[in-house]
Amino acid sequence: DTAVSQTPKYLVTQMGNDKSIKCEQNLGHDTMYWYKQDSKKFLKIMFSYNNKELIINETVPNRFSPKSPDKAHLNLHINSLELGDSAVYFCASSQDPSGNEQFFGPGTRLTVL
Amino acid sequence: AQSVTQLDSHVSVSEGTPVLLRCNYSSSYSPSLFWYVQHPNKGLQLLLKYTSAATLVKGINGFEAEFKKSETSFHLTKPSAHMSDAAEYFCVVRPTNFGNEKLTFGTGTRLTIIP
Repeated sequence: DTAVSQTPKYLVTQMGNDKSIKCEQNLGHDTMYWYKQDSKKFLKIMFSYNNKELIINETVPNRFSPKSPDKAHLNLHINSLELGDSAVYFCASSQDPSGNEQFFGPGTRLTVL
Repeated sequence: AQSVTQLDSHVSVSEGTPVLLRCNYSSSYSPSLFWYVQHPNKGLQLLLKYTSAATLVKGINGFEAEFKKSETSFHLTKPSAHMSDAAEYFCVVRPTNFGNEKLTFGTGTRLTIIP
């Protein structure tokens, strides 16, 4: 069974489009995260939700909007995609907001043309 | 504020020889420290963590790390490298042991194993 799953695995789209990435965890965790990994492998947190409530919101353009319909899901919607949004996006979850052990999804490679 | 510096962007070792991946941190508070591994085209997996218990921490796959406060270091070691260890390794710091402080990732060290 996959603990943290993301769809799609690959996403290729044109500048200006709107796209969504979905994330689901079946671990029963309370906290979920979105990270962005750039072409140099640098990983930076974007958002964190605990029990469907936003607890970490880094300096991210407001074109990025996370949505958590329930504590097992955290989706990422991106409006008006730009070239610089090309990256690998990782979803993760942890049992609680301490984040002592985070379980990562396989990543979504987004390419904006 | 906290930061973490991985001193080597790329390390190559021969199979069967020791591995040393270096990490230094800075943190305003007592940190929690982690090492994560990322195999090609995969998500990250926790190798081990230090959260103010024993300073020598053992992780999965034979890896261990020692927290040295005086040197602000948390180097990752393994006595004998295996081909399956080839991956990207990230040192991570979090400033407190509780609360929702975010993780800060290092820039990664790519480990190559020479047959």
